[in-house]
Amino acid sequence: GDSVTQMEGPVTLSEEAFLTINCTYTATGYPSLFWYVQYPGEGLQLLLKATKADDKGSNKGFEATYRKETTSFHLEKGSVQVSDSAVYFCAPISNFGNEKLTFGTGTRLTIIP
Amino acid sequence: KAGVTQTPRYLIKTRGQQVTLSCSPISGHRSVSWYQQTPGQGLQFLFEYFSETQRNKGNFPGRFSGRQFSNSRSEMNVSTLELGDSALYLCASSRTGSDYGYTFGSGTRLTVV
Repeated sequence: GDSVTQMEGPVTLSEEAFLTINCTYTATGYPSLFWYVQYPGEGLQLLLKATKADDKGSNKGFEATYRKETTSFHLEKGSVQVSDSAVYFCAPISNFGNEKLTFGTGTRLTIIP
Repeated sequence: KAGVTQTPRYLIKTRGQQVTLSCSPISGHRSVSWYQQTPGQGLQFLFEYFSETQRNKGNFPGRFSGRQFSNSRSEMNVSTLELGDSALYLCASSRTGSDYGYTFGSGTRLTVV
């Protein structure tokens, strides 16, 4: 079945630092890839997605590129803000009728002013 | 437009009881999925419904069941509650499934005592 390996947290950075959260996956066929973010006490919000190899998803300054050759979808942001503090989840979904997201363990990010 | 609405937000139940959780998807979304989130197991897929049919099911015991109505609203039921069922239950909706991504509700926090 599908699986995800995410960078172990927690991650603590200073404001305006560069962020990378690593994600590698195994999935059937050619999955779509997603990053979700969860703020305290809330559900998950879709941050960005990519549906085919070499696609770059981007949103709110975050970016991730679908790398089929390395089965990776690393999340990056050039300058983080305190408001980016949250838990980030990487999730592939196979597109062969198996309509379920397989989530990583999540990476807790804390940004210090 | 309105997001995914889950009711109730919080529930406290006693072991052995049963519980029903409700999810109203975004208008026009026909796929509804349910996930369980716990500190120990992370996010785990329960089941997914599309046009009133269960399309996928996760590895949960038969005490966990769900259904979808003709208006795409969905309910999940847990019978004979156990302490380990305490979790945040998240519902997610999508137009048809994987390629569009899923929009999550804020969840129902179930506590079993």
